[in-house]
Amino acid sequence: QITLKESGPTLVKPTQTLTLTCTFSGFSLSTSGLGVGWIRQPPGKALEWLALIYWDDDKRYSPSLKTRLTITRDTSKNQVVLIMTNMDPLDTATYYCAHLTVLKDAFDIWGQGTMVTVSS
Amino acid sequence: DTQMTQSPSTLSASVGDRVTITCRASQSISTWLAWYQQKPGKAPKLLIYKASSLESGVPSRFSGSGSGTEFTLTISSLQPDDSATYYCQQYNAYSRTFGQGTKLEIK
Repeated sequence: QITLKESGPTLVKPTQTLTLTCTFSGFSLSTSGLGVGWIRQPPGKALEWLALIYWDDDKRYSPSLKTRLTITRDTSKNQVVLIMTNMDPLDTATYYCAHLTVLKDAFDIWGQGTMVTVSS
Repeated sequence: DTQMTQSPSTLSASVGDRVTITCRASQSISTWLAWYQQKPGKAPKLLIYKASSLESGVPSRFSGSGSGTEFTLTISSLQPDDSATYYCQQYNAYSRTFGQGTKLEIK
């Protein structure tokens, strides 16, 4: 059974850096054809894709946010980390991590999400 | 960047109705499109991938079609549990984009 869980601060100040961790079980990110992505959702708004890391350490970023994002993996800990710099109140959102298989190229299993508020 | 436009933004229908939601891409994405269902306070759930493939465990009343720039999600016979917001999501040129969502309400 595949599960993912997001963790990190619930409150950050403007201009600070956010670090979120996705801890997963039931698969290895070393397995060919797999990936883990990050998606966020501001309150009452639509989903927004942020970043994706593949089994071979290939990485993809949202063009509009790529200068602020870094995604990394630790296969020994079954974790994926997302770093977002220069946080702004507009970054207030629920942040989700999700499992992806290249065969489907869709996020088939999601974490529960973690709410991050950006405020001074 | 490929933009995704869903229509309608909101939809109200009765139990048993056939419901269709449309998603249009700003450029061709072949069949690299997925549909998700999201209920309030919950994570999205994958319904359809590669435009028309039904995710395991999803009821057969859900179906997807289309290719290129125009796609549809159809619910053949609406059930009370289908009240939710539905999102399309494209994959093209190493990027992914979600539509703005369609909120489906049961009359």
